[in-house]
Amino acid sequence: QKEVEQNSGPLSVPEGAIASLNCTYSDRGSQSFFWYRQYSGKSPELIMFIYSNGDKEDGRFTAQLNKASQYVSLLIRDSQPSDSATYLCAVNKGANSKLTFGKGITLSVRP
Amino acid sequence: DTEVTQTPKHLVMGMTNKKSLKCEQHMGHRAMYWYKQKAKKPPELMFVYSYEKLSINESVPSRFSPECPNSSLLNLHLHALQPEDSALYLCASSQETQWSNQPQHFGDGTRLSIL
Repeated sequence: QKEVEQNSGPLSVPEGAIASLNCTYSDRGSQSFFWYRQYSGKSPELIMFIYSNGDKEDGRFTAQLNKASQYVSLLIRDSQPSDSATYLCAVNKGANSKLTFGKGITLSVRP
Repeated sequence: DTEVTQTPKHLVMGMTNKKSLKCEQHMGHRAMYWYKQKAKKPPELMFVYSYEKLSINESVPSRFSPECPNSSLLNLHLHALQPEDSALYLCASSQETQWSNQPQHFGDGTRLSIL
């Protein structure tokens, strides 16, 4: 089992829809969870981070964490073509802040 | 624009050259990182510096040599690289490494091509 797994993509949604990106992790000791957005040819950009069970909202983005089920998700409401990118889930197990990344999922928002 | 600045943005070098990648941040962060990213893959951690001391080396070949002259600067010295080292090299910083909930912020990266 991989440490951090993301749904195999690509994911395509129409403009205005909700995009749901999921991520599971294997280490129950994982403490912090991050979502990065990466446009083609660019560097990763931090979108959200969460470390407590429940939901965390920031504008059109909502991160959800369920430690009992070991999954973290990112919801993008009112998806826009500019949201088209690869989304990386990253998990931090604690010591020395070593991030473990999932493979990423490519989101395409159709106009 | 990011608050972590990397130079140069692009670098082409031969296998016998020596070059350096530079990274600078002015956010007062005390942890800095080097990552390597190949196309369509996630970033792979190379080195972690905490309070200007090397705390993690992910078994990186010695042809990559990191240096942290002060809390704002991070260098990666390159020597005798191989074509497979061609990649996007990313620098990141965070407040501290001991607090796991601190997010890492990435620079724009240096795209390195080895001829």
